[in-house]
Formats: sequence, C-alpha cells, structure tokens
Amino acid sequence: QSALTQPASVSGSPGQSITISCTGTSSDVGSYNLVSWYQQHPGKAPKLMIYEGSKRPSGVSNRFSGSKSGNTASLTISGLQAEDEADYYCCSYAGSSTLFGGGTKLTVL
Amino acid sequence: QLQLQESGPGLVKPSETLSLTCTVSGGSISSSSYYWGWIRQPPGKGLEWIGSIYYSGSTYYNPSLKSRVTISVDTSKNQFSLKLSSVTAADTAVYYCATPGIATLDVWGQGTTVTVSS
Repeated sequence: QSALTQPASVSGSPGQSITISCTGTSSDVGSYNLVSWYQQHPGKAPKLMIYEGSKRPSGVSNRFSGSKSGNTASLTISGLQAEDEADYYCCSYAGSSTLFGGGTKLTVL
Repeated sequence: QLQLQESGPGLVKPSETLSLTCTVSGGSISSSSYYWGWIRQPPGKGLEWIGSIYYSGSTYYNPSLKSRVTISVDTSKNQFSLKLSSVTAADTAVYYCATPGIATLDVWGQGTTVTVSS
C-alpha cells in the first residue's frame, strides 16, 4: 500500500479559491465513499474538515467543500482567509486499512 | 462530549517495546459502534495510520507495521492501548489516538511525543 498522492504545496491570495487533489487507486479512493480531509496547524492535532467525501462536520465553515471523481478526491477552499494557512491531509479507507496522503502545505499570500 | 488523552513514556530505547495508552472520557469505550485508532507523525513529516480496534474487539493494522503492532481495549479503565515492538529511531514521532471511524476521525487526543534513543 502506498500513501495517497497530494501536491506538496499550494498557494492563493485572500478571497481566492484553491483546490487540493488527492489521488489514490481503485482499491481505496475509487472504491469507497470514505475520504476525509484534515487541517493541521503547527504543533496542533489534526482537525476533521470533510468526511465521507463531501460532508462537513458541525462547526466547519461552508467555505470548505469536498468532491470525488474516479480515483481522485479534491478539497476546495473558497474565500481564502489567513487562518486557512495550514497543512492539509486526505485520508481514505482502503479495505481493512486506512491511508493518508503525504500532506499539502497551503500558503495564503 | 468525547475526549481522548494519550499517555506513556516519552523516551524508549532501541529494540524495546513502545507502550501508550489512550484514556476516553465523556463516553464509554464499549457502548458505541466506534473504531478507536492510533496515528503517528514523525518530526516534519506527514500522518501515518498505525491501526484501529473496533468496539467489538476486531483489529485492523497498517500492513507495514502489522508484525510489530498490537492494539487492545481495557473496558474496565475505559482505555485502549498501543504496543509497538522492536522500535528504532524511525519510530520517533508524535503519537495520536483518534475516533470514531476507521477513516473519519472527528475526535483526536492532543498527541504525545515518543523519542527512540539510547
């Protein structure tokens, strides 16, 4: 099993939208509607932002949205704000195991 | 509101066994259809899923760690634990416990740093 593939970094200006991709295989992302996304600020525990592909937990801003097409899941953040600057990780069920992506560092310019 | 707290030694010698405990508060570890999991993060690196235990006792492990990992539940103490044997410097990381799903982790502990060094 290999980690899910994410871009190492993305950036955007305040107010803009960005999308982070997460590419897996037909054995994980492509087979299950169990993709989640986590935001992690330095020195903090990860925070769940999206689960089951596109659902938002209570309290998470509707500026965060998730989608999936084939073996690739995506996280879109609209109306970028300074506090969105963080590392983002995707995660997928892979049939009796779980995989994380390598992480994407989001820089708000 | 469910809360998790990791505890255990911060320093482990190479070749020894790393043992951590996650204490659950705000709910019973045996009364919900939850997975109780462990995730780690080496310094400056990404998250790695170690394994999970279902409330029924079924266990699921990362294939790359399976030969060295044991996750168990102690319902009397409302805790679940991680044992990782034959550790090396590569096992140095922040270790987190989390729940409730096997891939939907809405509640996390604060994390505990474990260093493997002689």
